[in-house]
Amino acid sequence: DTAVSQTPKYLVTQMGNDKSIKCEQNLGHDTMYWYKQDSKKFLKIMFSYNNKELIINETVPNRFSPKSPDKAHLNLHINSLELGDSAVYFCASSQFQGATDTGELFFGEGSRLTVL
Amino acid sequence: AQKVTQAQTEISVVEKEDVTLDCVYETRDTTYYLFWYKQPPSGELVFLIRRNSFDEQNEISGRYSWNFQKSTSSFNFTITASQVVDSAVYFCALSEETGANNLFFGTGTRLTVIP
Repeated sequence: DTAVSQTPKYLVTQMGNDKSIKCEQNLGHDTMYWYKQDSKKFLKIMFSYNNKELIINETVPNRFSPKSPDKAHLNLHINSLELGDSAVYFCASSQFQGATDTGELFFGEGSRLTVL
Repeated sequence: AQKVTQAQTEISVVEKEDVTLDCVYETRDTTYYLFWYKQPPSGELVFLIRRNSFDEQNEISGRYSWNFQKSTSSFNFTITASQVVDSAVYFCALSEETGANNLFFGTGTRLTVIP
């Protein structure tokens, strides 16, 4: 069983479209994340949720809207897609260790988004 | 602000050679956490190690070992007797006490092990 699963794995779409990437974890973790990896392999956090509550929101355009219906799911919706949104998006989860600690992050396999 | 530097962009070694991947970090926090992740060609990110700032003991796990030195703000990773399956991009990452649950990654080192 995949611990952190993302769908779809590949997504090709036109500029201006709206798309969603779904993420589910079966590890019983209470913290979930979205990271973006650009073409140069640079990984940067976008959002972090703890028990469905947003705890980290980096400087991300408001076209990106995460939604956490429960602590096992964190979906990412992107409106009005732009060429620069092309990247690999990684979902991750961890067990919350407190406000001053960071546990091991378990990552999904990534979702490669290509905007044409 | 925190910073993680992996100065080696790409390294190539011949199988069975030892290789060390460098990681230098910057932080103002006294409590922080350091990580290494592996990203093989298949693309997933695989956790290798997590170390907190109060634990400077070196760690060995099979052919992998890590050298944490606070004096030089370094957390280097050595692979002994490298194998082709070690070919991957390796990321060092830092999380600070004041920014917990936010993993800040270095730019990665691409390791190619030549058979």
